[in-house]
Amino acid sequence: SAVISQKPSRDICQRGTSLTIQCQVDSQVTMMFWYRQQPGQSLTLIATANQGSEATYESGFVIDKFPISRPNLTFSTLTVSNMSPEDSSIYLCSVEDPQGSPNYGYTFGSGTRLTVV
Amino acid sequence: DQQVKQNSPSLSVQEGRISILNCDYTNSMFDYFLWYKKYPAEGPTFLISISSIKDKNEDGRFTVFLNKSAKHLSLHIVPSQPGDSAVYFCAAFAVGNEKLTFGTGTRLTIIP
Repeated sequence: SAVISQKPSRDICQRGTSLTIQCQVDSQVTMMFWYRQQPGQSLTLIATANQGSEATYESGFVIDKFPISRPNLTFSTLTVSNMSPEDSSIYLCSVEDPQGSPNYGYTFGSGTRLTVV
Repeated sequence: DQQVKQNSPSLSVQEGRISILNCDYTNSMFDYFLWYKKYPAEGPTFLISISSIKDKNEDGRFTVFLNKSAKHLSLHIVPSQPGDSAVYFCAAFAVGNEKLTFGTGTRLTIIP
């Protein structure tokens, strides 16, 4: 299955600042997904990032708050902008396994634990 | 609107016994259901999946059962081992809309 390197693994940030999270995949993938897991909650999809086009955001998430870049088929970034304590969450990137879902599922990065103070 | 639900936030099982984790869904358009396991400070790891046209899929100690009429699926782990202690998420998606919808998770604790 695909291997994803996600960084940073954790960060503590001041409110009003921005943090950019990176995901590097060891193989070319068409779609990359960004999720958020708030404390005690399920994983919620933020947006889907395709190379060469703008990301598609889910209801409740906007590009100004969570800009995404997808410069090539192995890399993507998610920025959490103008942070507030409510943005404290785990952020995860995910890809459809190159061998094909669903038998192989979707692979996730190790996550970025963000705390906003 | 929680389309995938895991009503048990936690479950404790004796080592060697069977662990049964349950999941209910409301969207009849889901084509595939997946189970993920998550350790602290790690991303979810894919365990097993099942197509909506099947009622059972088995992989080693893990078996997933699907009752489509009841919109219910379950993950059976037998025998349970200490390394199985983790949070388990049920997820689903529809073909053509490859976005996973997750349940809220069940924390499984295996008691030695």
